Amino acid sequence: QQQVKQSPQSLIVQKGGISIINCAYENTAFDYFPWYQQFPGKGPALLIAIRPDVSEKKEGRFTISFNKSAKQFSLHIMDSQPGDSATYFCAAVKKSSGDKLTFGTGTRLAVRP
Amino acid sequence: GAVVSQHPSRVICKSGTSVKIECRSLDFQATTMFWYRQFPKQSLMLMATSNEGSKATYEQGVEKDKFLINHASLTLSTLTVTSAHPEDSSFYICSAMYTNTGELFFGEGSRLTVL
Repeated sequence: QQQVKQSPQSLIVQKGGISIINCAYENTAFDYFPWYQQFPGKGPALLIAIRPDVSEKKEGRFTISFNKSAKQFSLHIMDSQPGDSATYFCAAVKKSSGDKLTFGTGTRLAVRP
Repeated sequence: GAVVSQHPSRVICKSGTSVKIECRSLDFQATTMFWYRQFPKQSLMLMATSNEGSKATYEQGVEKDKFLINHASLTLSTLTVTSAHPEDSSFYICSAMYTNTGELFFGEGSRLTVL
């Protein structure tokens, strides 16, 4: 199965700090890269997404940085808050052909007060 | 954003019984829905792709006779776990594709516990 590698597996950040989660992919045909946030016992919710023709996308405190040549993308959470504590999944898909999502392995983020 | 409803959110059943989980797209039509299984502290594992009006496409290693999927309408897909056993206990999540944009919206998940 096509892979999306995600790191770190877990992350602890102090309130107000910056949380950074990294993902790397192999398939250059991927054309859509979403990030999902999942709270315990809940389904994933789309947080932010980017296409490979853009190097950065920002929505509020959340920013995706995309490096097409390195086949890497990352999520930055600025001014991290305890309410951001959740599991974050990156994903990749060839959306133009309606392919299924390939998920990363997930990062459990804990933001300490 | 679009809403996908899953029901039931939690179900406990005895070994050998069958359990049906429903996935509904409440405010949009979804030609394609996906069913995932998630073990504790792990990522989502795609089980099958459900297309309205046709047979589901199962991922390698997923028993189609064990996990029956029906996508009878543009707003409803069901997953039936037949003759459930304790090893089927898991968190099952559906997602529905908003056809116009290709965006995926996830349900809240269903926790199945088989005793």
